[in-house]
Amino acid sequence: DQQVKQNSPSLSVQEGRISILNCDYTNSMFDYFLWYKKYPAEGPTFLISISSIKDKNEDGRFTVFLNKSAKHLSLHIVPSQPGDSAVYFCAASDAGNNRKLIWGLGTSLAVNP
Amino acid sequence: DAGVTQSPTHLIKTRGQHVTLRCSPISGHKSVSWYQQVLGQGPQFIFQYYEKEERGRGNFPDRFSARQFPNYSSELNVNALLLGDSALYLCASSLVAAAFEQYFGPGTRLTVT
Repeated sequence: DQQVKQNSPSLSVQEGRISILNCDYTNSMFDYFLWYKKYPAEGPTFLISISSIKDKNEDGRFTVFLNKSAKHLSLHIVPSQPGDSAVYFCAASDAGNNRKLIWGLGTSLAVNP
Repeated sequence: DAGVTQSPTHLIKTRGQHVTLRCSPISGHKSVSWYQQVLGQGPQFIFQYYEKEERGRGNFPDRFSARQFPNYSSELNVNALLLGDSALYLCASSLVAAAFEQYFGPGTRLTVT
């Protein structure tokens, strides 16, 4: 039972355009959401996060939007750069589980020059 | 400052053997979590330790065990290895057990033949 779902296994965008990565969740107890970026043979790198009390968080080129009623969040990367090419994981946690992370399957982003 | 370090980076074992993986958290971080990532999937939570005590355990058999030392480093032990244990084992550190963000090491790639 996948509590965090990333339904697009891959995404390809042109350099300079916007990349939008989507994530859905089923557990209404989740109150904190994170995006991690992962290159092959490396551990995940924390990118950006959002608390359930907010609907938007922005950090440079990265913005995360949260729609609680739809149990949906998205990561926007503007403008996309070739170095952004990686696998992006959405993860969620709740205070009742000591914030152990529940992960999606990841979306592989390719940014073409 | 050094990030999370893990050793070894790669390991090949045969079925039935046991393995010990090691992790050193970021300086000042007192909590360590272990995750297993099988190819094509998101990481799955195995254990969390805080102040040398187990704070959480995922859905893994008793062949998996871990401990945390007074310097907050940690070991993950797996006994009676199975082919299905082949995966990337990730260690994450955080300031406290229920910290919002976790920071990951590069992982140990375990191959069981």
